[in-house]
Amino acid sequence: QVQLVQSGAEVKKPGASVKVSCKASGYTFAAYYIHWVRQAPGQGLEWMGRINPDSGGTNSAQKFQGRVAMTRDTSISTAYMELSSLTSDDTAVYYCARWNGQPGLDYWGQGTLVTVSS
Amino acid sequence: QSVLTQPPSVSGAPGQRVTISCTGSSSNIGAAYDVHWYQQLPGTAPKLLIYGDNNRPSGVPDRFSGSKSGTSASLAITGLQAEDEADYYCQSYDSRTLYVFGTGTKVTVL
Repeated sequence: QVQLVQSGAEVKKPGASVKVSCKASGYTFAAYYIHWVRQAPGQGLEWMGRINPDSGGTNSAQKFQGRVAMTRDTSISTAYMELSSLTSDDTAVYYCARWNGQPGLDYWGQGTLVTVSS
Repeated sequence: QSVLTQPPSVSGAPGQRVTISCTGSSSNIGAAYDVHWYQQLPGTAPKLLIYGDNNRPSGVPDRFSGSKSGTSASLAITGLQAEDEADYYCQSYDSRTLYVFGTGTKVTVL
């Protein structure tokens, strides 16, 4: 069965960086884009960007350009999202999700809580 | 901020029908890009509910249906049940901002 398992919660200080991992199983990792979505406490879903695990090509929302880096390691079927220059506004649950084309984001990770606090 | 606008909340009694609107523009829904809907139960990750405007993934009850017209889309829940109490988000592609989510709607079962 398809599963996306994310790394555990993180606490970071303002100005630091955080790297969240997303390990895929149950399907051919390279065949489906991985998207990153975040949700601040009590707020809605916000699309951050996506990575093509096959080519490594990425696209990100303008808001995060220059501050987000999405990478992957195909040997271990894992995608990564690194966000730098953290502020308290980056406190959120970060999700990875598999994009299946017309069917949309059909499988989601469990989420990773990132807390930015001094 | 999101370019897809949803009502903050809708409510209904058990068994009733409720609808959630998702209003976009000519660069997203109006450009015929697919609309998807996600259900998020409290404390859990979102779950795909409707894809490609009006298709249900396997396992989703037929009480849930989607539609689209012009620059808007809608999610309907018929025969509302207590377990449907959740947040619902629409999502589409936008030619200017890439992928976008709606502002989200909280459904309350009275």
